[in-house]
Amino acid sequence: EADIYQTPRYLVIGTGKKITLECSQTMGHDKMYWYQQDPGMELHLIHYSYGVNSTEKGDLSSESTVSRIRTEHFPLTLESARPSHTSQYLCASSAGQGPIGYTFGSGTRLTVV
Amino acid sequence: KNQVEQSPQSLIILEGKNCTLQCNYTVSPFSNLRWYKQDTGRGPVSLTIMTFSENTKSNGRYTATLDADTKQSSLHITASQLSDSASYICVVSDRGSTLGRLYFGRGTQLTVWP
Repeated sequence: EADIYQTPRYLVIGTGKKITLECSQTMGHDKMYWYQQDPGMELHLIHYSYGVNSTEKGDLSSESTVSRIRTEHFPLTLESARPSHTSQYLCASSAGQGPIGYTFGSGTRLTVV
Repeated sequence: KNQVEQSPQSLIILEGKNCTLQCNYTVSPFSNLRWYKQDTGRGPVSLTIMTFSENTKSNGRYTATLDADTKQSSLHITASQLSDSASYICVVSDRGSTLGRLYFGRGTQLTVWP
């Protein structure tokens, strides 16, 4: 059962629009992550958070921003969407460094036209 | 450079047949290795997680092996079903950072035909 939720599942939006992708988890995990994945390619970490008011950029440079005001909520925002932002965005959370409790959301498929 | 390489890139098998997917990694220091199944348009779902001391782990028809000396892992699927059609991703975690950084392979796209 998924305890991490992403909305919307699919989004088609015009160039220049501001968008926010939502991610919420009910497991009380401190660490949360955003990954970007293009078809047939590996996941790339774009943002992560150790806890409330903690956010860091990941390995892949991204024009998106994130915030962590509440433990359970980790939204990702694009101020001005471009076609190059078209991709799948996956949110994940974990309880710690160990292998247990690393869970992915179902993803948001973003298409910018 | 920490890397995870998977082979084959894609695989087509008939329903009921077995198959084995390969994963080679260079991640160091090694913490654990995970196999995920990702259906098209969905998030990855964990199949197995193995630490340094574990050589094999099963989850139903899925059996993963790990050779930490050669830095190789395999995922064996027995008696394949149509629902096994998906991308199978090998993910290796290091223990060199508090983040527990994950390194992802590109996945093997498995298609099971009736």
